[in-house]
Amino acid sequence: GNSVTQMEGPVTLSEEAFLTINCTYTATGYPSLFWYVQYPGEGLQLLLKATKADDKGSNKGFEATYRKETTSFHLEKGSVQVSDSAVYFCALRGVTFGTGTKLQVIP
Amino acid sequence: NAGVTQTPKFQVLKTGQSMTLQCAQDMNHNSMYWYRQDPGMGLRLIYYSASEGTTDKGEVPNGYNVSRLNKREFSLRLESAAPSQTSVYFCASRYDRGLDGYTFGSGTRLTVV
Repeated sequence: GNSVTQMEGPVTLSEEAFLTINCTYTATGYPSLFWYVQYPGEGLQLLLKATKADDKGSNKGFEATYRKETTSFHLEKGSVQVSDSAVYFCALRGVTFGTGTKLQVIP
Repeated sequence: NAGVTQTPKFQVLKTGQSMTLQCAQDMNHNSMYWYRQDPGMGLRLIYYSASEGTTDKGEVPNGYNVSRLNKREFSLRLESAAPSQTSVYFCASRYDRGLDGYTFGSGTRLTVV
């Protein structure tokens, strides 16, 4: 069946540090892959997506590349800000979600 | 742009009580979904509706029923609430099943005592 595995959090970084949140998946075929962000007390918001192998999704300085050979879709950002503090979810076909990774950025 | 609107935002129920969570979207989306979010478990799909007039079970449907009232509205009903249903419930919608991301509502925090 379909599944998504995310790195466990929380992840604590200093402002301007480099961010990587790992996401790997198990699925048949070529599923669409998504990253969502959830700020405290809010619903999830779509951050970026990729619909086929080698696609790179990007938004607000975040990037993720669809790697079919490693079944991965890792989220990266070159320089995080305090405002990026949130929980990040990787999703497969938009239906199967990872457990979320909490990111805390300290000044 | 209202997007996806959920009501109520908070609710406390006693065990055995019933209630309906309401969800409406104004984006002309075809598919609508109900998820529950529990600590350490991510989001789990309860029910979904791929189009008006159809509903299907998700991963955790037991204890819930749904109604796709029209294209805009998708309600979730708890007939006899149990403490295990204490959770945050999110409604979501999207235009196309496979390729689009969701638009989520802001959630309903339900406590069953």
